[in-house]
Amino acid sequence: ETGVTQTPRHLVMGMTNKKSLKCEQHLGHNAMYWYKQSAKKPLELMFVYNFKEQTENNSVPSRFSPECPNSSHLFLHLHTLQPEDSALYLCASSQVKGWETQYFGPGTRLLVL
Amino acid sequence: AQTVTQSQPEMSVQEAETVTLSCTYDTSESDYYLFWYKQPPSRQMILVIRQEAYKQQNATENRFSVNFQKAAKSFSLKISDSQLGDAAMYFCAYRSASGGGADGLTFGKGTHLIIQP
Repeated sequence: ETGVTQTPRHLVMGMTNKKSLKCEQHLGHNAMYWYKQSAKKPLELMFVYNFKEQTENNSVPSRFSPECPNSSHLFLHLHTLQPEDSALYLCASSQVKGWETQYFGPGTRLLVL
Repeated sequence: AQTVTQSQPEMSVQEAETVTLSCTYDTSESDYYLFWYKQPPSRQMILVIRQEAYKQQNATENRFSVNFQKAAKSFSLKISDSQLGDAAMYFCAYRSASGGGADGLTFGKGTHLIIQP
């Protein structure tokens, strides 16, 4: 595997379910990010992890819970979501130096019923 | 907070022609980075080109070039010799240089580029 991978690619869940999104980067980066892409809004930054430490939480509701066990893996735990949380969730990674490019995964398309 | 504005929801260009996508941004910072990303129907975000704010020279990558006007806070993307594979959503993005390197990107709403054969 190369680059940034995300699983699952598609997810349908009820509002009472608990699910997790997984992101893995194979680029040797040490910063990882979660973004949300909704149909009618710009991509929104959700969380930033820098060397496994969360450095930014962009006012995200607590029903989204990130976890970064190491520099290569990032999870987004979901529980009691709302239909308006349906979106494409994108993971990205980068080096933490200078102006390094963020590399994105293919995203997880989430539908909350 | 920084904002990024892309005023063209959709643009159409004939194959082999040149097209320019507009982007303006608002910031009080003097040092930052600007990016153009491409998102084809596969949804994979791909970096097209990037610019450091302290560099006056406009970045170029093969058929892609930017017109960076720092005073006007403008960062347009020019695609020369447009190809069918260029059809995608194009996003302009801003990243602060003050956060130590792990800053999130602020995106515009995107421009849908259509290539007419």
